Amino acid sequence: GQQVQQSPASLVLQEGENAELQCNFSSTATRLQWFYQRPGGSLVSLLSNPSGTKHTGRLTSTTVTKERRGSLHISSSQITDSGTYLCAMGNPSSFSKLVFGQGTSLSVVP
Amino acid sequence: NAGVIQTPRHKVTGKGQEATLWCEPISGHSAVFWYRQTIVQGLEFLTYFRNQAPIDDSGMPKERFSAQMPNQSHSTLKIQSTQPQDSAVYLCASSSGLGYAEQFFGPGTRLTVL
Repeated sequence: GQQVQQSPASLVLQEGENAELQCNFSSTATRLQWFYQRPGGSLVSLLSNPSGTKHTGRLTSTTVTKERRGSLHISSSQITDSGTYLCAMGNPSSFSKLVFGQGTSLSVVP
Repeated sequence: NAGVIQTPRHKVTGKGQEATLWCEPISGHSAVFWYRQTIVQGLEFLTYFRNQAPIDDSGMPKERFSAQMPNQSHSTLKIQSTQPQDSAVYLCASSSGLGYAEQFFGPGTRLTVL
């Protein structure tokens, strides 16, 4: 079946450092949607794009569909960025279920 | 915009009892999705509706689980004869289908089966 693999599983950064989270997926017909979740919290949609690069604030999502990989770059990390980042793949242009990775747990320390 | 609304936020049932979970999608969104999240399995798709019609229920356990969308403003997920392994956070999401069909999630219902 369709699969999504995220790496690293966990990451510890000092405040101000940059983070690069990776997502590999099994289908070339894919858009990626990145989510953020605090323990016990809701899933917050961060970015969604089928290919290329998309920015919002300190976040940059890059998807290379042909190579079945994507990444989320977080610049100038802040303590409040701590939490779990989830990558999900879905059909690029229409309704479809999302298949989620297991997430990257990010801890930003002073 | 209130976002996706899910009720109740927490539900505790005894083994063998029924649980009904409610979801109100974002107004104007035509697709509603149900997922569940556990520590062991992570996030798993259950089923989805488009314009109230069931489209894909490939993730639904074949027994005891059912979902409906009687009107465009709410969907329900019903679990009959709940078992401890049904304990999870059940998440509802909706999508307008515009752009990249981004899905927006509700806060979830935490179901605990004793």
